[in-house]
Amino acid sequence: ELKVEQNPLFLSMQEGKNYTIYCNYSTTSDRLYWYRQDPGKSLESLFVLLSNGAVKQEGRLMASLDTKARLSTLHITAAVHDLSATYFCAVEDGQAGTALIFGKGTTLSVSS
Amino acid sequence: DSGVTQTPKHLITATGQRVTLRCSPRSGDLSVYWYQQSLDQGLQFLIQYYNGEERAKGNILERFSAQQFPDLHSELNLSSLELGDSALYFCASSPYNGGGELFFGEGSRLTVL
Repeated sequence: ELKVEQNPLFLSMQEGKNYTIYCNYSTTSDRLYWYRQDPGKSLESLFVLLSNGAVKQEGRLMASLDTKARLSTLHITAAVHDLSATYFCAVEDGQAGTALIFGKGTTLSVSS
Repeated sequence: DSGVTQTPKHLITATGQRVTLRCSPRSGDLSVYWYQQSLDQGLQFLIQYYNGEERAKGNILERFSAQQFPDLHSELNLSSLELGDSALYFCASSPYNGGGELFFGEGSRLTVL
């Protein structure tokens, strides 16, 4: 059974600080996705990483993928309050067809 | 706005009842996925349909069933409801029969009393 583990699950940051969220997974997938969810809202796609070494950046967020280590990171640079949300990584589960299997999410709270 | 439409947005019902959640995928998308999100279980994959056919099954209870119609909209039927079925149910769609980014609807929040 594919397992996707994120850490930390909760993260309280000060504005202006940097931090990294980690996503480990147990399959040999080379496709990984990051989503953002605001409280009570839908999931918004942030990044699609499709190969080993892929790196994507959008504003203060940068995601990378190391398929050999089965690890993806989401790096936050100079956090601002608007980044407060829950961030999920998701991996395609070959055994269950093509469904995305999600980690438990990292709830980020940025305060001044 | 992802283009995926779910109804109803909120639903309150009693234990033992049956409800139907509806999803219209983005225009042109042939795959529909259903997920359940709860505080204790996180985001759980339930089932996937592609162009009317069931393609993958996750942790879907026998009391739950789904289908995708010729116009590609999908319905998730939940029966003999229990308190533990209270959750946010998401539908997501994609153009492909496998893999790729999913686009999520706003969800249907089910409360079972």
